[in-house]
Order: sequence, then structure tokens, then C-alpha cells
Amino acid sequence: AQSVTQLDSHVSVSEGTPVLLRCNYSSSYSPSLFWYVQHPNKGLQLLLKYTSAATLVKGINGFEAEFKKSETSFHLTKPSAHMSDAAEYFCVVRVTGATNKLIFGTGTLLAVQP
Amino acid sequence: NAGVTQTPKFQVLKTGQSMTLQCAQDMNHEYMSWYRQDPGMGLRLIHYSVGAGITDQGEVPNGYNVSRSTTEDFPLRLLSAAPSQTSVYFCASSLGQGVYNEQFFGPGTRLTVL
Repeated sequence: AQSVTQLDSHVSVSEGTPVLLRCNYSSSYSPSLFWYVQHPNKGLQLLLKYTSAATLVKGINGFEAEFKKSETSFHLTKPSAHMSDAAEYFCVVRVTGATNKLIFGTGTLLAVQP
Repeated sequence: NAGVTQTPKFQVLKTGQSMTLQCAQDMNHEYMSWYRQDPGMGLRLIHYSVGAGITDQGEVPNGYNVSRSTTEDFPLRLLSAAPSQTSVYFCASSLGQGVYNEQFFGPGTRLTVL
């Protein structure tokens, strides 16, 4: 069975400092992995996705993630946090097969301090 | 395009009442799905549809019914609401089932069952 584990439920950074949100996955096959962001009282927006092409994936708003098979990780990073980055972030794995089912992690709430 | 729309935005029900959460998309997407979001649990798939007339169960289908009579609409029915169904419900759609088909999420419906 496939799953994702987000290692931190809350992360707090200062504006202008780097962001690291950690995600480990479990999959018997080469996974398709995503990061979604949810701003307060809003829907979910796709940040980036990994689909077995380049291991370093660049997304919107300066975020990127690196797929590391040896560590079964797909951590999300950003060099410099902005106040507008404060939101909840979800690591997601797509169920293998002819399906678009997604399995969500439990989320990481990112706070950005001025 | 309006994208994925959901109505209502908020709803309060009494135990045992029934209601339908509406979801519509104007992007001619074949794949639609319903998720519920609960604190600390991420999003969990309730039901999904791969096209008009075709639906299937997701991870947590009990207590919910769906139908897909048109490509555009995918309503979620609660036949007899229970307090355990208090949650935020998200509808999503994508062009197809392939890994390159991004899922677009609606703004959500916040449901409280008393």
C-alpha cells in the first residue's frame, strides 16, 4: 500500500529564512508525488509534482522539491520565506494504476514570523 | 471558466437530516471526486467518478451516495446525517486519470452536524 508521512505538523520560520517541509513516502512502485498548498479557508492548489522525470522539481512561488529514492523522501524547500507562504502544505502520493486516486499526508502548518 | 464550484459554502444539519452537496465544473473534465478533510487527517477520498454514469467508492464511502448523470455535475448525498460527518468537503476534477492530469479543487463546503 502506498502512503506518505509528513514529519512535522507545525513549522515556524522567520520571514526571509529558508523553509523545509519534510515528507517520506512508501510505495512498491515508482511513485507520483505532489505537494499541495491550502491557504486559510481556501481550496487546495498544486505547488509541484514529481512524475519520474527530473528528481529536482520546481514549482510555483519559488518552491522546489527533491525526490530521493534512497531516502524515500520528497521534501519541500524554499530559499526565503515570505509572509504569504503561511498556509497548510500537503504531501500527496498518487495510487499506482489507471486511477487518479490521491492519498494525502496529514499536513504541515507553516507559520511565517515577521 | 469558473473552474470547480461547490455549494453551499456552509451548512448546519441536525442528526438524521438529509442533504446534497453540489459540485460542478465547466472544464469538460472526465474525472471527479469528493474528499473530506478532518483535523490531523489530511484529505480522504469518499467517492469518485471516471465519467458520466460511472462512480466508485473511495476510502471512506459509508454514509454517502453519489451519482454522475452529466459530465459537469457530481453531487454528494448524505441520506441521514451523523455528527461523525462534520467535516470540510472538497470536490475535485481532472481532465483524465493519467499522472499528468492535475486535479483542481473547489473551495470546499463546511458541514456541521449537530
